[in-house]
Amino acid sequence: EAQVTQNPRYLITVTGKKLTVTCSQNMNHEYMSWYRQDPGLGLRQIYYSMNVEVTDKGDVPEGYKVSRKEKRNFPLILESPSPNQTSLYFCASSLFISAGNTEAFFGQGTRLTVV
Amino acid sequence: KNEVEQSPQNLTAQEGEFITINCSYSVGISALHWLQQHPGGGIVSLFMLSSGKKKHGRLIATINIQEKHSSLHITASHPRDSAVYICAVPLSPGGGADGLTFGKGTHLIIQP
Repeated sequence: EAQVTQNPRYLITVTGKKLTVTCSQNMNHEYMSWYRQDPGLGLRQIYYSMNVEVTDKGDVPEGYKVSRKEKRNFPLILESPSPNQTSLYFCASSLFISAGNTEAFFGQGTRLTVV
Repeated sequence: KNEVEQSPQNLTAQEGEFITINCSYSVGISALHWLQQHPGGGIVSLFMLSSGKKKHGRLIATINIQEKHSSLHITASHPRDSAVYICAVPLSPGGGADGLTFGKGTHLIIQP
């Protein structure tokens, strides 16, 4: 089954404690991206990756890091989480670099609370 | 950079009603996406279209490229259609590598 898998689904952590949210896809997609979703603001892009070792900033990259060492995995790293990073996070993947023109597949979301 | 406006923001209707959700965008595009987000949070792709109309079951999506406008229709609505519906378009004209930009979503509730 084609899918994007995120872990964990829910996470409560404390300010400053480094965390990683994992994302893995089984469709051999080149393009992967991370979004955060906040009430009243909708989905906003954090980082994206066009292929292995190729990443770039989205609209709201501050406080986040990513890596793309393998095609299937695209982890999101919060080195020093703060309460304003409390949000619902989604990983997505699609087939081509022209990512707006191919179907996007989303993970189930990770609800992060930073206290 | 493209911008997306959706309306209405919230919609409550009775089971069986015909539903229309609207999406407008600012810059010419190559494809538009309609997504569905259920209360559990997961997002699924409903349609991707670049012209005309697409139909899947009771869902119909239309797009007018000249007017930069798309609509999502639900016929014979059912409580299980209750969800947030999100319109998305490429950030850059022609669909560049920077991905999608999203409307804020329409929260639909269908009452029995």
